[in-house]
Amino acid sequence: NAGVTQTPKFQVLKTGQSMTLQCAQDMNHEYMSWYRQDPGMGLRLIHYSVGAGITDQGEVPNGYNVSRSTTEDFPLRLLSAAPSQTSVYFCASSWGQGRAPQHFGDGTRLSIL
Amino acid sequence: GENVEQHPSTLSVQEGDSAVIKCTYSDSASNYFPWYKQELGKRPQLIIDIRSNVGEKKDQRIAVTLNKTAKHFSLHITETQPEDSAVYFCAASQDDMRFGAGTRLTVKP
Repeated sequence: NAGVTQTPKFQVLKTGQSMTLQCAQDMNHEYMSWYRQDPGMGLRLIHYSVGAGITDQGEVPNGYNVSRSTTEDFPLRLLSAAPSQTSVYFCASSWGQGRAPQHFGDGTRLSIL
Repeated sequence: GENVEQHPSTLSVQEGDSAVIKCTYSDSASNYFPWYKQELGKRPQLIIDIRSNVGEKKDQRIAVTLNKTAKHFSLHITETQPEDSAVYFCAASQDDMRFGAGTRLTVKP
């Protein structure tokens, strides 16, 4: 039981490049979410999904896309990277509990030059 | 949308003392209030939570209280230990999750 697995752990991009952050969970959790963490600002919700085929926007969705084709996977796509997207990204999952994340991945540290 | 404010931003206590972190929320519809601990360079970990139909919950040295009328909730850590040093985040949720900005707790041995 690996929990929530995120890849890659580190990534450097140039402005305008696109990429996908991968997230997978093996706990059969229905609810998955993506957060970004910036210094002094806590965690901010980007997108979330309450089950396969269903996604919705969180607090800061602009510049990001998600899809949920299976229960296990919830990739986050940066469409055209901007320096403002430099952050640490966390994927999380839960089986309910008011959609509060119960299990986080180790995070992806992303730098946009 | 929901707005969560957390105080203090930093807190330093002596080992064995108690620590209290307070949060306020704006949306009276919020019904679930988790707390997370994040050690330096690590992932956040859910440590305790409380629902809006409960006023207090305790788990060993950690307790959370909720005042729905005043829209604030607090984390209490008793008999603090150096390993309690971390950043603590509160959050409030109804449909989506909003986090406080965090409290950096330092426990001095």
